[in-house]
Amino acid sequence: SQKIEQNSEALNIQEGKTATLTCNYTNYSPAYLQWYRQDPGRGPVFLLLIRENEKEKRKERLKVTFDTTLKQSLFHITASQPADSATYLCALGGQGSSYKLIFGSGTRLLVRP
Amino acid sequence: GAVVSQHPSRVICKSGTSVKIECRSLDFQATTMFWYRQFPKKSLMLMATSNEGSKATYEQGVEKDKFLINHASLTLSTLTVTSAHPEDSSFYICSARERGVWGNQPQHFGDGTRLSIL
Repeated sequence: SQKIEQNSEALNIQEGKTATLTCNYTNYSPAYLQWYRQDPGRGPVFLLLIRENEKEKRKERLKVTFDTTLKQSLFHITASQPADSATYLCALGGQGSSYKLIFGSGTRLLVRP
Repeated sequence: GAVVSQHPSRVICKSGTSVKIECRSLDFQATTMFWYRQFPKKSLMLMATSNEGSKATYEQGVEKDKFLINHASLTLSTLTVTSAHPEDSSFYICSARERGVWGNQPQHFGDGTRLSIL
């Protein structure tokens, strides 16, 4: 069955450092991968999308890589700030003709001032 | 742009009550809306895909008679939890895809509804 794994343990880092979150998947061939941010009690907010034929995507302090051979995506936040503290979800989509997304369980990021 | 409003944000009611949750796209038309359920520290689990003007497509294991979905217009989808019981207590979130966009575009999420059944 399809499986998406994100580190369930919280990532605790010092302000100013780079946060790196991992998303691994099995039994799936996504056409694209998306990253979302979710704050407690709120809905997810879209951050970045990367297609299967793209290796890397950047947006301001965010960078996403996508390795379809390793079946892995890395999400980086450079110069992290306490305001970046949230849960980050990866989502896979585009297999077949469906618009459905399959979400990982998310990794909580805590940025210490 | 691309704002999705979900209402109510929180519901507390007695067992056996039916609860309706609304999901509206405020500044765009949504041909497809999705309904998710999320347990604490768990992933969003897709319950059903709602297409405007047609019947919803439910995921395996989701009771369609329990979770009634109506998508009567391009800006509104509703989820009704019928005869709710404590095990239905959860965080329900809707999302919408903008009409006319390619498949790899993001979903726009509402802020969820916290449902508590006593």
